[in-house]
Amino acid sequence: RKEVEQDPGPFNVPEGATVAFNCTYSNSASQSFFWYRQDCRKEPKLLMSVYSSGNEDGRFTAQLNRASQYISLLIRDSKLSDSATYLCVVNGAGGSYIPTFGRGTSLIVHP
Amino acid sequence: SQTIHQWPATLVQPVGSPLSLECTVEGTSNPNLYWYRQAAGRGLQLLFYSVGIGQISSEVPQNLSASRPQDRQFILSSKKLLLSDSGFYLCAWSQASGGNQPQHFGDGTRLSIL
Repeated sequence: RKEVEQDPGPFNVPEGATVAFNCTYSNSASQSFFWYRQDCRKEPKLLMSVYSSGNEDGRFTAQLNRASQYISLLIRDSKLSDSATYLCVVNGAGGSYIPTFGRGTSLIVHP
Repeated sequence: SQTIHQWPATLVQPVGSPLSLECTVEGTSNPNLYWYRQAAGRGLQLLFYSVGIGQISSEVPQNLSASRPQDRQFILSSKKLLLSDSGFYLCAWSQASGGNQPQHFGDGTRLSIL
């Protein structure tokens, strides 16, 4: 089993749609979780951290389910500019400095 | 605020030539530093990370090496490049807080080996 798994997609949705991605992780000792966005041929950029109680930033909502070992990202009212690859990152298992990246989920928002 | 600089943005090198990519971080001290490679259409592969000056950990065996001569400087090198070294190289930093901090990436270097 891979340490961090994501559905590669692509998720193809119309503008205004709500879309959700999940990311599962294998190490129950993992301590911190993040979502990144990566545009084509660009560097990954931090989108949001994922807190135990769940957190929201505008149209984006992130949630953590420790019991089932997954994190999720919900995007409401999708915009064309949301088209990108979304990477989940799991950090800090056993105090490690080494983050583990998922392979990413591709989102395409069309008019 | 903290910034990370990585150069060059694009590089075309012949097989067998040497390589030196440089990354510097400003606005913070004692950061954790990382080098990643991303092949076309693939995920991020961690190559090296460093928690302090002169401290380098290698994640995968290869013909690349890394050095950290100063607190906020991280260099990726090779003596002889291979075709398989082509890819998108990314430097990143994070606060040194036991692994709970997010990483922040430089703009990346797109390396093509001919």
